[in-house]
Amino acid sequence: DTGVSQDPRHKITKRGQNVTFRCDPISEHNRLYWYRQTLGQGPEFLTYFQNEAQLEKSRLLSDRFSAERPKGSFSTLEIQRTEQGDSAMYLCASSPTGWDQPQHFGDGTRLSIL
Amino acid sequence: KNQVEQSPQSLIILEGKNCTLQCNYTVSPFSNLRWYKQDTGRGPVSLTIMTFSENTKSNGRYTATLDADTKQSSLHITASQLSDSASYICVVKLTGGGNKLTFGTGTQLKVEL
Repeated sequence: DTGVSQDPRHKITKRGQNVTFRCDPISEHNRLYWYRQTLGQGPEFLTYFQNEAQLEKSRLLSDRFSAERPKGSFSTLEIQRTEQGDSAMYLCASSPTGWDQPQHFGDGTRLSIL
Repeated sequence: KNQVEQSPQSLIILEGKNCTLQCNYTVSPFSNLRWYKQDTGRGPVSLTIMTFSENTKSNGRYTATLDADTKQSSLHITASQLSDSASYICVVKLTGGGNKLTFGTGTQLKVEL
């Protein structure tokens, strides 16, 4: 399967801990996106990369959140000092360059904060 | 106020029946409109992408329509199957913005025997 893969699928942690998620995009896609989705809502944009450059960040991405894509391939999303409100599904998507290209999503990492 | 609004919020239909889901959007400037299907616990999967100049686009039993003047779109599902049970999300892309998408909250469809 050459789709977008995310790891882990589920993460349970205590409030105040740091967590890191990984996303492996489709190999030929140079754009990579992170979204957050809470129950009953659509995904909300967090940030996106063109190759290794982080080109846009949402105001939802507080200073506790950081994303990297060091070699323009896989990406990591780290949340420091987790809070209850961080509980959500974190989705990664990738696409080729182009305004009419569909974004291909992974199945997400579900984060639960105890 | 959500810039992409969908109705109904949820819908139950019998297998084999048709249904139509609605999407109204206010975001601008508009580049294209997409419909995604999201199964429970899975990531969204793209069904259709329409530019402002396209009125309709089909993907198998799914047909999307777009009226860019009234900023309305619909997704019609024909001959529904149990596997169509999912959330259907309307998504708008603004012009520019690096492919950033604005998502609706979705219509939860359940197909029953």
